[in-house]
Amino acid sequence: GENVEQHPSTLSVQEGDSAVIKCTYSDSASNYFPWYKQELGKGPQLIIDIRSNVGEKKDQRIAVTLNKTAKHFSLHITETQPEDSAVYFCAASTNTGFQKLVFGTGTRLLVSP
Amino acid sequence: DAGVTQSPTHLIKTRGQQVTLRCSPKSGHDTVSWYQQALGQGPQFIFQYYEEEERQRGNFPDRFSGHQFPNYSSELNVNALLLGDSALYLCASSLDSIYEQYFGPGTRLTVT
Repeated sequence: GENVEQHPSTLSVQEGDSAVIKCTYSDSASNYFPWYKQELGKGPQLIIDIRSNVGEKKDQRIAVTLNKTAKHFSLHITETQPEDSAVYFCAASTNTGFQKLVFGTGTRLLVSP
Repeated sequence: DAGVTQSPTHLIKTRGQQVTLRCSPKSGHDTVSWYQQALGQGPQFIFQYYEEEERQRGNFPDRFSGHQFPNYSSELNVNALLLGDSALYLCASSLDSIYEQYFGPGTRLTVT
């Protein structure tokens, strides 16, 4: 069935460093790839998304890249800040009769001052 | 502009009981999707409601059912609760698609 793998499971960086989280997906028909940030005790917050007709999208310090051939997509955070510390989830759309989102298992990002 | 709201925040139930969780979508949204998030895992799709009908369902048993009202709010019902149903239940709203889904804060269900 549909599967989204996410790596690493944990990531520790120093404030100001860059962080990269990678995901791979199995459904070649996937065409939508959102990223969510989840802070403790809260629901996931949509931070950026990309569709399959675009290879890269940037919004201030965050960017997402998509490689459809390799079925990879990545989240890049530059100039990390302590408030970026959270769990990040990638997701990919699937087309099993009707579209739905399949989520990765999450990456816990810790940004140390 | 209110975002997605869910109630209650926390709930403790006993095995075999039934539970109802509620969700109000973001203003302007007409589609509600429900997800189950186990501790340390990503959200798992339960089902989606649009125009008061279940449009798509994930790999969840019939014990999980739902409803959408004319004002687009939604309920998730779980019957015959099992210990394994303990999780954070998330509601997400969108505009007639899976794109740009916005999540509520969730309801933490504990089954003892």
